[in-house]
Amino acid sequence: EPEVTQTPSHQVTQMGQEVILRCVPISNHLYFYWYRQILGQKVEFLVSFYNNEISEKSEIFDDQFSVERPDGSNFTLKIRSTKLEDSAMYFCASSLAGTSGGYEQFFGPGTRLTVL
Amino acid sequence: GNSVTQMEGPVTLSEEAFLTINCTYTATGYPSLFWYVQYPGEGLQLLLKATKADDKGSNKGFEATYRKETTSFHLEKGSVQVSDSAVYFCALKKGGTGTASKLTFGTGTRLQVTL
Repeated sequence: EPEVTQTPSHQVTQMGQEVILRCVPISNHLYFYWYRQILGQKVEFLVSFYNNEISEKSEIFDDQFSVERPDGSNFTLKIRSTKLEDSAMYFCASSLAGTSGGYEQFFGPGTRLTVL
Repeated sequence: GNSVTQMEGPVTLSEEAFLTINCTYTATGYPSLFWYVQYPGEGLQLLLKATKADDKGSNKGFEATYRKETTSFHLEKGSVQVSDSAVYFCALKKGGTGTASKLTFGTGTRLQVTL
């Protein structure tokens, strides 16, 4: 069964450093998403991506964040200068379509980011 | 804006007990509603969904009914198993046209089932 994969599973970094979180969505999916979950809090939407551009982004997704689909299979989230409050579990998701209520978003296992 | 409220966890039940996890939502328009489950060390998996009022989603013995009048989507199972131990997330997605629609999640409810 096709699945979304994410690497690494755990990333530890120093405050101020850049990190890139990687995701491989399901191959025929067209819509891609990043979410994050700070420990003990809700899963929060960060950004959605379609046709090589951002469709929607949340208030969290400020200038420190960027997304890219560099090669047609990977989907990356870059945090330019990490802060302590960026420590969270980051989930990538993909879906075949975007707007219809019935289309499922398939999630990866997550990358745990720890900023020291 | 849209929001989802779930009952606090953890919920601890004995095997074969009845499960209810409450979920209520606030949304404009006619959202779709989902329950996702996260088993230890894994990603979020869709458990069931309902796309309009009075729809009942069901899967693996779990059920939830989209109640517009009470803005609720409570998850139920008649007889839980140890293998159901996981974190359960209620979520909504706004309806209508537009570009990719985000999911809005509740905080998640951890279920622990013991023998």
